[in-house]
Parts: sequence; C-alpha cells; structure tokens
Amino acid sequence: DQQVKQNSPSLSVQEGRISILNCDYTNSMFDYFLWYKKYPAEGPTFLISISSIKDKNEDGRFTVFLNKSAKHLSLHIVPSQPGDSAVYFCAASAYTGFQKLVFGTGTRLLVSP
Amino acid sequence: EAGVAQSPRYKIIEKRQSVAFWCNPISGHATLYWYQQILGQGPKLLIQFQNNGVVDDSQLPKDRFSAERLKGVDSTLKIQPAKLEDSAVYLCASSLDQGALGELFFGEGSRLTVL
Repeated sequence: DQQVKQNSPSLSVQEGRISILNCDYTNSMFDYFLWYKKYPAEGPTFLISISSIKDKNEDGRFTVFLNKSAKHLSLHIVPSQPGDSAVYFCAASAYTGFQKLVFGTGTRLLVSP
Repeated sequence: EAGVAQSPRYKIIEKRQSVAFWCNPISGHATLYWYQQILGQGPKLLIQFQNNGVVDDSQLPKDRFSAERLKGVDSTLKIQPAKLEDSAVYLCASSLDQGALGELFFGEGSRLTVL
C-alpha cells in the first residue's frame, strides 16, 4: 500500500527554468509534509516542509504547495540550477503520539546548463 | 556539529550469512530511526527508538532482523540470516524529539549486497 506516491521517476529541466516535482498521498490523516534531497552516496537531507494548516511555504528558491482536497503537494524550484540535480523524496507524517514519516519513491531531477 | 555516523559504508555477504550495522546519532538526539532503501524505492522505516525504548517496529522482519540501542545513544541493526532481497541501503537517522514535528538527520547509509 503506497500511501505516498511520486509518479514521475525523472524530470529534466534547463538551468534557469522552473522545476515542478509532484507528490500525491492517500492517507487523509497526514498532517505534515516534507521534501528531502538526496545526492548519490549520501543520505537524504531536509529541504522544506509544510503543515496541513498552510497551503504554501517558501524558502528562497524553493516553494512547497499543498492542496489538501486533492491530497496533492508540489515542490517548485525557481530558478533551477545544475547543483539541484538530485533525487527528491516527498514524505508525509500522521502524528499518532510520535512522528512517523512515510516516504515516496523519489523523482530524479536533472538540471542541464 | 557532527552528523549521524554509520559503518560500514559497504558490505558484501552471501545469503544465509549475518551482518551488523552501527549508527551513532547526533549528540543529544533522543529519537533514532533505521530505514531500508531498496533500489528504486523510497526509504522504509524498519524501527524507531525513543532513547533506548522501541516506539515502532511494525515493519521490522523480526524473524531475521534485530536492533538495539543500548544506553540510548549508539544503535546496532543485525540481519541473520540474510536473504537476497535484503540487498539495500540501510539508513540511520536521528531527531531531537519524537513528539516534535521536524526534520530527520540522515547518515550516509550502509550499502548491503547479498549474493
């Protein structure tokens, strides 16, 4: 049962353009969402998060949008840079006395110069 | 601030052998997680500790996997006997407090290949 889905395994974008990574979830109890970035041979690193009480959170070039009715969130990177090339994981949490993150399968982003 | 340390980085074993992975979380982090990441998939939680107690081990294959966190600091994940499908990267992560919604800090992972 894949509760968090990233349907695009890969995405290619030119430097300077916008990258949009999508994530869908099925569990309506999820109330906190995070994006992690992963470079080869490294562990995932936290990028940005959003609580279910918000519909947008911005941090520099990165913005996460949450559409609760559609159970959908997206990560926008503007402008995209070659150093953004990595695998991006969407994760969701339903607080049940403790935080338990469920990860999506990841989207590999390639930003070409 | 030192990050999450894991060892070994790489391990190759034959099926039915045993293997152990070690993790040292960030100092002061009460919560420690072990994730399994199979190629092409997202990380899957195996076990979560709060200090030295188990919070969630519902997805840990307990017939072959075991984990402990003695004294609430370092942790060891053991697989015995290993199967081919255990080939994966084993990620350790830590966070300040399980009750707080916040980021997890991951180590670089231990890549296991079972032949």
